[in-house]
Amino acid sequence: DAGVIQSPRHEVTEMGQEVTLRCKPISGHDYLFWYRQTMMRGLELLIYFNNNVPIDDSGMPEDRFSAKMPNASFSTLKIQPSEPRDSAVYFCASSRGGRYNEQFFGPGTRLTVL
Amino acid sequence: AQSVTQPDIHITVSEGASLELRCNYSYGATPYLFWYVQSPGQGLQLLLKYFSGDTLVQGIKGFEAEFKRSQSSFNLRKPSVHWSDAAEYFCAVGASNFGNEKLTFGTGTRLTIIP
Repeated sequence: DAGVIQSPRHEVTEMGQEVTLRCKPISGHDYLFWYRQTMMRGLELLIYFNNNVPIDDSGMPEDRFSAKMPNASFSTLKIQPSEPRDSAVYFCASSRGGRYNEQFFGPGTRLTVL
Repeated sequence: AQSVTQPDIHITVSEGASLELRCNYSYGATPYLFWYVQSPGQGLQLLLKYFSGDTLVQGIKGFEAEFKRSQSSFNLRKPSVHWSDAAEYFCAVGASNFGNEKLTFGTGTRLTIIP
């Protein structure tokens, strides 16, 4: 089975542009997580969904960030407008059944905002 | 709110030597504890987890961890490291209240293996 798929793998954009990161979770998984990893702050949970519904978005840094999950097989994380401090690696992860079952991580999207 | 501290940013170990990576947590009740590993350029992979019961937990790749409530610790150990163990290791804690799936990660420990 394919693992968690993220696209693009690398994104370079200029400050002020809109950025959309995409994630396809593992089929059958009902939880989806978005994380951000930076040297300064480590790995931070931004938001997670259960059955396509956002459960906890307390980690979303600002209104410039938004996430959607229109169906069980697709999620997006959007940054509008982007800023240089948004440069990071963004990971998507999925799991099945809750109760802290193993989260399977995608390869990440490395975002650079110039 | 829960938190995790990994006091060692970088550890270097000789191949074949034993390994212990430290993790301290802060949480008001019995936590759920995890160790994940991240190889360069890849996402994280679960090594092991502790929910309850036996405080010594066995994981994949020959790793184990011991939960010590009195010390608020969950240290990761391996008796003999291999060059392929070079990676970044993350300890994480989850709250035990029903319905909460939020993991809080430590800042990681980078492991270097020397021949």
